[in-house]
Amino acid sequence: ETGVTQTPRHLVMGMTNKKSLKCEQHLGHNAMYWYKQSAKKPLELMFVYSLEERVENNSVPSRFSPECPNSSHLFLHLHTLQPEDSALYLCASSQRTGTYDSYEQYFGPGTRLTVT
Amino acid sequence: KQEVTQIPAALSVPEGENLVLNCSFTDSAIYNLQWFRQDPGKGLTSLLLIQSSQREQTSGRLNASLDKSSGRSTLYIAASQPGDSATYLCAVKGGSTLGRLYFGRGTQLTVWP
Repeated sequence: ETGVTQTPRHLVMGMTNKKSLKCEQHLGHNAMYWYKQSAKKPLELMFVYSLEERVENNSVPSRFSPECPNSSHLFLHLHTLQPEDSALYLCASSQRTGTYDSYEQYFGPGTRLTVT
Repeated sequence: KQEVTQIPAALSVPEGENLVLNCSFTDSAIYNLQWFRQDPGKGLTSLLLIQSSQREQTSGRLNASLDKSSGRSTLYIAASQPGDSATYLCAVKGGSTLGRLYFGRGTQLTVWP
């Protein structure tokens, strides 16, 4: 595997289900990101894990819970979602050096989530 | 809050034309600007990255320019081909949130034979 991979590629879940999205990067990067892409809004950052620090977008509901067990893996745990959470969820990674971050972000193919 | 606008929202041209896609941003305090390509239902592919200290970057038929002071970038595609059909996204990296990219809504490009 190369680059950034995401599984599953497609997911259909009911509002009462619990599921997890997985992201893995094979680039040796030290920062990982979750983005949401819906039809009605521009691509939007949800969470960042970088150099053991986590930053989140304050507008993200608590039904989304990220986990980053190491620098290569990132999860997004989902529970009691709403139909409006249906979207393409994209994972990305980059290499950070301290507070200086001018490097490219590399994206995975995304997970298409449908909440019924 | 940084806002990124892309014009036009959609563009349909015959093969062989030279194209210009526009991106503007409201806060000039950026680290860099990145142009991406997104094919339907797929992830993003990075095309070009321009650092805040640079004026332009080139890759093959693509050329991107950056005027940070005026908050503008353009992506120039030379001799367009049907394979260039995709959505092109512009994103700027601000300094307030770790690595946060602010995206425009994209320009949907169709190049017909």
